[in-house]
Amino acid sequence: DAKTTQPPSMDCAEGRAANLPCNHSTISGNEYVYWYRQIHSQGPQYIIHGLKNNETNEMASLIITEDRKSSTLILPHATLRDTAVYYCIVRGTNYQLIWGAGTKLIIKP
Amino acid sequence: SQTIHQWPATLVQPVGSPLSLECTVEGTSNPNLYWYRQAAGRGLQLLFYSVGIGQISSEVPQNLSASRPQDRQFILSSKKLLLSDSGFYLCAWSPQGDGYTFGSGTRLTVV
Repeated sequence: DAKTTQPPSMDCAEGRAANLPCNHSTISGNEYVYWYRQIHSQGPQYIIHGLKNNETNEMASLIITEDRKSSTLILPHATLRDTAVYYCIVRGTNYQLIWGAGTKLIIKP
Repeated sequence: SQTIHQWPATLVQPVGSPLSLECTVEGTSNPNLYWYRQAAGRGLQLLFYSVGIGQISSEVPQNLSASRPQDRQFILSSKKLLLSDSGFYLCAWSPQGDGYTFGSGTRLTVV
């Protein structure tokens, strides 16, 4: 079973920040949180990952709560090309990532 | 730089026919390799993973098998396809203990 829960879908206006939540209340102390996105009929694309501290790269920011039971992926200025399914994942045993159903993010003009 | 190649992109096969999907990785050595399947509108299901040549672990019972004849080659096979084998198959690799890079996927339709 997936170790994360995400809302099935979200809308966001183009140009605004998209904030995608994820709950991972059973995460272990040494497990990382990964975010990927999948545009229709393509392979998933890595976005960002983190352990405890907030992380930022050219694509997004990742905010992890102090108790590590939840996190938020932030796309600061969403574009139409950011429409995709976003997966929040924690690393399982043997470096496997356990995938849930993700959040379908729709960016509206 | 590392790249991953997966082919074919689409495949239509009759029930009962064999299957062979190939995945190769370039620019790295001793990667962890993975085969995933994704049903329409669903998340990814891990089928097989391999941490080295000849080392295959299966996550779900099925009529599929995997082999790793070379360090950077991972093959997904079936002797007799079922209708339920239809789906989007993704190969991925990761450095030891890090995130994944995915191939472009193979959309398999069993008819």
